Amino acid sequence: GAGVSQSPSNKVTEKGKDVELRCDPISGHTALYWYRQSLGQGLEFLIYFQGNSAPDKSGLPSDRFSAERTGGSVSTLTIQRTQQEDSAVYLCASRATGAVGSYEQYFGPGTRLTVT
Amino acid sequence: GENVEQHPSTLSVQEGDSAVIKCTYSDSASNYFPWYKQELGKRPQLIIDIRSNVGEKKDQRIAVTLNKTAKHFSLHITETQPEDSAVYFCAATQNFNKFYFGSGTKLNVKP
Repeated sequence: GAGVSQSPSNKVTEKGKDVELRCDPISGHTALYWYRQSLGQGLEFLIYFQGNSAPDKSGLPSDRFSAERTGGSVSTLTIQRTQQEDSAVYLCASRATGAVGSYEQYFGPGTRLTVT
Repeated sequence: GENVEQHPSTLSVQEGDSAVIKCTYSDSASNYFPWYKQELGKRPQLIIDIRSNVGEKKDQRIAVTLNKTAKHFSLHITETQPEDSAVYFCAATQNFNKFYFGSGTKLNVKP
C-alpha cells in the first residue's frame, strides 16, 4: 500500500513568510509525529497526535510553530514568520496502534525547508 | 526529559568487519529502543528494535543488546557490506508519545 507522503518536497521561502507543510499518513494509522532534522543532526521531536486525544506539543520550539490534524488523517505543520534557523528537513511519521507489535514508525520523505 | 547520546559520530570499517554503535539514555522508564537506518537523501527506516524486557535481539547480521542497569544499548552489525553504509540513529521512548533520538552515526564500509 501507499506509504507516508509529504508535500512539498522542497520549499524555499523568504524570512518572515509563513509556510505550511503537509503530511498524509498511512491509512488507518492513528499516531502521527512531526520531527525536524537539521543538517547532520538527529531527529528532533516536534509534536505527536494520537487519535482524538489532545496532541503532545511539548517539542514545538516556539509559538511560531503549530500543527493540526484534520479528521484523524492529514496533518499540517505551520511555521509563521519563518527565521533562517527554521531551515531543516521536516519529517512526518505515522504508526499503527492497538495491534500487537505496532511499534514501528513509518517515515515520509520529508520536506526540505530553506529560509533565505 | 529523556536524553539519548550516541557514539561514535562516524565509523569507518573494512568490508567484512563488524561495526558497533552505542547509545546511552537517561530515563530509566524508557522501555522501547528502535534503531533506524537512513541512507543519503532517503527517509529513516527501522532496522531492528528491542523492548526493555529483552536483553538481546538478532536479525541475520544485525543485533541489538540492552543493558537496563547501565542504561545503554548497542547495535551490532557483523560481516559488514558496502550497502550497510548509511547514517544510523538510535532512539528511546517510554510511552510512544515521544521518541528521543541520538545524534546519529555515519557508518562507512570500505570495499
